[in-house]
Amino acid sequence: EVQLVQSGAEVKKPGESLKISCKGSGYTFAHYWIGWVRQLPGKGLEWMGIIYPDDSLTRYSPSFQGQVTISADRSISTAYLQWTSLKASDTAMYYCARVGSPSLAQLWFDCWGQGALVTVSS
Amino acid sequence: QSALTQAASVSGSPGQSITISCTGTSSDLSAYKYVSWYQQHPGKAPKLMLYDVTNRPSGVSNRFSGSKSGNTASLTISGLQAEDEADYYCSSYTSSNTLLFGGGTKLTVL
Repeated sequence: EVQLVQSGAEVKKPGESLKISCKGSGYTFAHYWIGWVRQLPGKGLEWMGIIYPDDSLTRYSPSFQGQVTISADRSISTAYLQWTSLKASDTAMYYCARVGSPSLAQLWFDCWGQGALVTVSS
Repeated sequence: QSALTQAASVSGSPGQSITISCTGTSSDLSAYKYVSWYQQHPGKAPKLMLYDVTNRPSGVSNRFSGSKSGNTASLTISGLQAEDEADYYCSSYTSSNTLLFGGGTKLTVL
């Protein structure tokens, strides 16, 4: 069974750093793009970026470029989303998802993690 | 980039059919023939319902169907059931090599 399991909820203060994880199982992790999606409280889905774990090729949404870092460690089938200095406006649910499409021009996510709630508050 | 345009809400009675529309621009829906749709129940992760406009992943009911014309894509749910009540999001690749989601449509089953 294809599965993505994310790290747990986090409560942080503004200015702190954070790295959340997404571990894949049930498939060859290195050979499928993994994406990250933000959902602000009560709002819709926002695509943040994707990474190809085999070579760590990464693409970012312009809205998130420079704000977060997406990385992966293929040896442990895990992708990461990282902040160096959190803001209150980063408070959201963050999902990782596997890109199931054979090409990025199609770019659909066929398996999603359970989500990780990040709360940033002083 | 602005989100693809979806109606904020739609409703229908059990057994009826409803259609959710998703409108884009020449940089996304018009430029690419692929659109996907996701269902999200409250407090849950999104679930892929349709991909490449009309294809259903294994396990998704054939009550869900899709179409696309120009810069507008549509998701139709026939034989509406209580369990269909959820938020629905469309998505499309863009000419900027990014992915764009719709703003989401809340489906209420009356």
